Amino acid sequence: SYELTQPPSVSVSPGQTASITCSGDKLGDKYACWYQQKPGQSPVLVIYQDIRRPSGIPERFSGSKSGNTATLTISGTQAMDEADYYCQAWDSSTRVFGTGTKVTVL
Amino acid sequence: QVQLQESGPGLVKPSETLSLTCTVSGGSVSSGSFYWSWIRQPPGKGLEWIGYIYYSGSTNYNPSLKSRVTISVDRSKNQFSLKLTSVTAADTAVYFCAREWVNYYYMDVWGKGTTVTVSS
Repeated sequence: SYELTQPPSVSVSPGQTASITCSGDKLGDKYACWYQQKPGQSPVLVIYQDIRRPSGIPERFSGSKSGNTATLTISGTQAMDEADYYCQAWDSSTRVFGTGTKVTVL
Repeated sequence: QVQLQESGPGLVKPSETLSLTCTVSGGSVSSGSFYWSWIRQPPGKGLEWIGYIYYSGSTNYNPSLKSRVTISVDRSKNQFSLKLTSVTAADTAVYFCAREWVNYYYMDVWGKGTTVTVSS
């Protein structure tokens, strides 16, 4: 089955840049999106179609892709950005979520 | 603004059928622009896609759950539903419904989620 691999955790100091990677076979041929999930809440879409940001999502969230790795970057990280982040793509008509990354703002 | 709300029993006995409903407000399940999806999250774990339904009734399921899952739509009530048969403790999770844009593969609106515990 298709898998999307993310680092389990990323730590960042306030005001610094956090980068979260998502790797998968042939991900370069697919659109990736990213969700933020805070404890006890439902996921929120923060990036779609690799690089697009939904209305209402702060500009400090950006997406990129190189080869088969998608990256979510949080610039000028704030304490409120501490959360779990999941990438998501598709394969053979199914939807697949990444393993998830816990971002800690120290 | 579209909102989704999950509802259903919070406790299901092992071997029985889990049944949940997602009510859509501010939008229509009859729109051809969206798939209507179910996702779950076991305690302390990641997200797992269960499947989706299109307004026409066509469905697509996670292969790992396909033999036990049925998703249906009730256009008159603006709802869609999930049935998962022969549940075990491994099916204990928060269940979310969500809206996915057709041909774009992202889910932009999610319900708040409902916790389902499988226990006797």
